[in-house]
Amino acid sequence: AQKITQTQPGMFVQEKEAVTLDCTYDTSDQSYGLFWYKQPSSGEMIFLIYQGSYDEQNATEGRYSLNFQKARKSANLVISASQLGDSAMYFCAMREPYSSASKIIFGSGTRLSIRP
Amino acid sequence: SQTIHQWPATLVQPVGSPLSLECTVEGTSNPNLYWYRQAAGRGLQLLFYSVGIGQISSEVPQNLSASRPQDRQFILSSKKLLLSDSGFYLCAGRGAGGSGGETQYFGPGTRLLVL
Repeated sequence: AQKITQTQPGMFVQEKEAVTLDCTYDTSDQSYGLFWYKQPSSGEMIFLIYQGSYDEQNATEGRYSLNFQKARKSANLVISASQLGDSAMYFCAMREPYSSASKIIFGSGTRLSIRP
Repeated sequence: SQTIHQWPATLVQPVGSPLSLECTVEGTSNPNLYWYRQAAGRGLQLLFYSVGIGQISSEVPQNLSASRPQDRQFILSSKKLLLSDSGFYLCAGRGAGGSGGETQYFGPGTRLLVL
């Protein structure tokens, strides 16, 4: 069965520093997708970045990058130059192998707090 | 791009009362639709998903049900709410394909408190 593990329940980072949020996954499938979502205190889930298992390059979206290490089954999120508005819960997620349902399973999340 | 609408934003209901939460989708046709529940400070639990009108799959046994009467409408219901049904309910959609087709986009959520 597929599983997503986020081992950091909470992190504190100084503003303007870079931060890495850890995510490891477990799957026996060759084709899968990995996601990161941000959930601020308002509760909405905001899509940040996507990495396909066959993508050779790490995904990047502005200040967000995904450090994809396939052999180690890790998909860490890197936020460069952190800002106060980055304080939120962050969830790593994985899509099941392609099917009509395309379900996504989520990790337990990491609460990131940015200090001014 | 897809937009997911949910209402109401907040709901307080007595135990034993019925529930109906509605989710509608704009910007895509034939989406996959999903209902999640999130307990306070926890991750997301997938409750139901639907790949088409009238097609509902349940992920966990529970007091809730789901229906999809139209392509872009997904409804979460209960005949009699339990205290344990309290939580934050999120609807999500995934487009049929093309740009952004890999990603699930979420609605703003409904906070349900059962007293």
